Amino acid sequence: DSGVTQTPKHLITATGQRVTLRCSPRSGDLSVYWYQQSLDQGLQFLIQYYNGEERAKGNILERFSAQQFPDLHSELNLSSLELGDSALYFCASSVGSRGWSVTEAFFGQGTRLTVV
Amino acid sequence: QKEVEQDPGPLSVPEGAIVSLNCTYSNSAFQYFMWYRQYSRKGPELLMYTYSSGNKEDGRFTAQVDKSSKYISLFIRDSQPSDSATYLCAMSPMNRDDKIIFGKGTRLHILP
Repeated sequence: DSGVTQTPKHLITATGQRVTLRCSPRSGDLSVYWYQQSLDQGLQFLIQYYNGEERAKGNILERFSAQQFPDLHSELNLSSLELGDSALYFCASSVGSRGWSVTEAFFGQGTRLTVV
Repeated sequence: QKEVEQDPGPLSVPEGAIVSLNCTYSNSAFQYFMWYRQYSRKGPELLMYTYSSGNKEDGRFTAQVDKSSKYISLFIRDSQPSDSATYLCAMSPMNRDDKIIFGKGTRLHILP
């Protein structure tokens, strides 16, 4: 168990809908990263938050947004969903602020999103 | 050309065999090279990492980096059925931006 908790584990929704994915980082970790994993694109970095503030942005669509709350949990909001948004969404957390820390970043088990 | 290329497999080998997993890359700024293992329905977990060129060994696992060829490898000796997973290489320049690029992963099956 990595200590990073993601809910829900599975989500099935229709096109055009909006969903929220939740991530609780490991105790003491201030950075949260969101990744999307699909068969054709692999693991793609979406966005990083550090202590409540956006720190880095990757290939995140405008229909997607995220935030990190004072208790450090994070939510990824996906709206106007399309079939192509079906993927595994992973959250990872680490202590540091300078982006990915190789030995400190741990992944959650992911949320499998299916858009029908 | 993609920044990181990795053969998706699947790769099936008999138990006890030596497994070789590879990635190539195009960005010469990459300095950190990582291997993650991902079991089905789980998140990736860090297996090994190396900085710059050279070899690193950890038990049955050996990571090699050849920066001149922009080629990295992970070797698994005495492979076990429990090694069956998807292996993702990842790389980063580890500069201020700390961008990390993952390969698409290679699915490995160890046959008992």
